[in-house]
Amino acid sequence: AQSVTQLDSQVPVFEEAPVELRCNYSSSVSVYLFWYVQYPNQGLQLLLKYLSGSTLVESINGFEAEFNKSQTSFHLRKPSVHISDTAEYFCAVSLTSGTYKYIFGTGTRLKVLA
Amino acid sequence: DVKVTQSSRYLVKRTGEKVFLECVQDMDHENMFWYRQDPGLGLRLIYFSYDVKMKEKGDIPEGYSVSREKKERFSLILESASTNQTSMYLCASTSGAQAFFGQGTRLTVV
Repeated sequence: AQSVTQLDSQVPVFEEAPVELRCNYSSSVSVYLFWYVQYPNQGLQLLLKYLSGSTLVESINGFEAEFNKSQTSFHLRKPSVHISDTAEYFCAVSLTSGTYKYIFGTGTRLKVLA
Repeated sequence: DVKVTQSSRYLVKRTGEKVFLECVQDMDHENMFWYRQDPGLGLRLIYFSYDVKMKEKGDIPEGYSVSREKKERFSLILESASTNQTSMYLCASTSGAQAFFGQGTRLTVV
């Protein structure tokens, strides 16, 4: 079975400061890794994903995440956050074949302060 | 763009009512999912379907059933709504490994 742990339920950070949202996973088989973002009263949107290849993946709005197989982690980082980054962020894993069933973490609420 | 549409954004139902939540996707995806989202618990899988008329239980299927008569439509049914089913319900479909989500339905059972 797979599981995902997001240890930080809330992360407050000042605007233009760096941020790291932590994600650790457990799985006995290979998985794909994802970060999704949810803005208030909206569904989830894909932020970035790791399927294979380079362990560092980037999104178009400045976020990046690094897959670390030895530490089973996929932490999300941004060097300088904006007010508009305030949202809830979910880390997820999926199987690499079949139904691609997703397992989600409990989410981290990022609040960017002016 | 892939579009996953949930029929209602907000619903208020009475205890004991039969409730239908509808989800439609427009990209011919085979796999569709229903999740519920609760604060501090993240998203939990209720049911999923990998083909028409095929379904599998997720982690929390009790009190729910589903129907998939057409490939594009996946319905979640609350047979007899209870107050502990008050939640945000999210539908998703997948293309390969990537999931696409609807806007969510916030259901309140009174």
